[in-house]
Amino acid sequence: DVKVTQSSRYLVKRTGEKVFLECVQDMDHENMFWYRQDPGLGLRLIYFSYDVKMKEKGDIPEGYSVSREKKERFSLILESASTNQTSMYLCASSWGTDNEKLFFGSGTQLSVL
Amino acid sequence: AQKVTQAQTEISVVEKEDVTLDCVYETRDTTYYLFWYKQPPSGELVFLIRRNSFDEQNEISGRYSWNFQKSTSSFNFTITASQVVDSAVYFCALSSNSGGYQKVTFGTGTKLQVIP
Repeated sequence: DVKVTQSSRYLVKRTGEKVFLECVQDMDHENMFWYRQDPGLGLRLIYFSYDVKMKEKGDIPEGYSVSREKKERFSLILESASTNQTSMYLCASSWGTDNEKLFFGSGTQLSVL
Repeated sequence: AQKVTQAQTEISVVEKEDVTLDCVYETRDTTYYLFWYKQPPSGELVFLIRRNSFDEQNEISGRYSWNFQKSTSSFNFTITASQVVDSAVYFCALSSNSGGYQKVTFGTGTKLQVIP
């Protein structure tokens, strides 16, 4: 069965900490995405990647960076966590260039205190 | 820029009622794809359907049906004879790759509660 795995289900960090959220997919997908989900705002795209070492800004990239050194792994980095980055973070992946469906991980609920 | 609007924030229906979830989209691309995803209380989004912009045929899958109307930029989702297991948040999404790569934009979601 296909799988997108996010390293942590719950995470609590302090303001100013550097935070790494990891996502791994086992489907050999080219595309990977990071979204954050907030009540009333739906899913908002932070960053995405369509190939190893390639990345593109989404709609809300400020305060975040990403890394994709291997095809199966896409990391989201909060350089200096702030309380307004408390959110549910969802990783997703998809195959190819024909707008295929996304496969999602279970999400990481990040709380920044 | 592309945009997806789901005007209904929350809907409550009694079991066995029919319910329609609305989705309106905006895009400048001529080729695009529309999706619906379901997010049950467990949290993981599950794919329901994918339609491309050249295929306006309505689709039915069991109790689920989708109405795609390009003229009104809408892609509505109807659940017939709703069941408690349909309770979830439903997201409409728009996908295109005009920049050479896939970009997917989601609506804000509609929370559906089916009351037994």
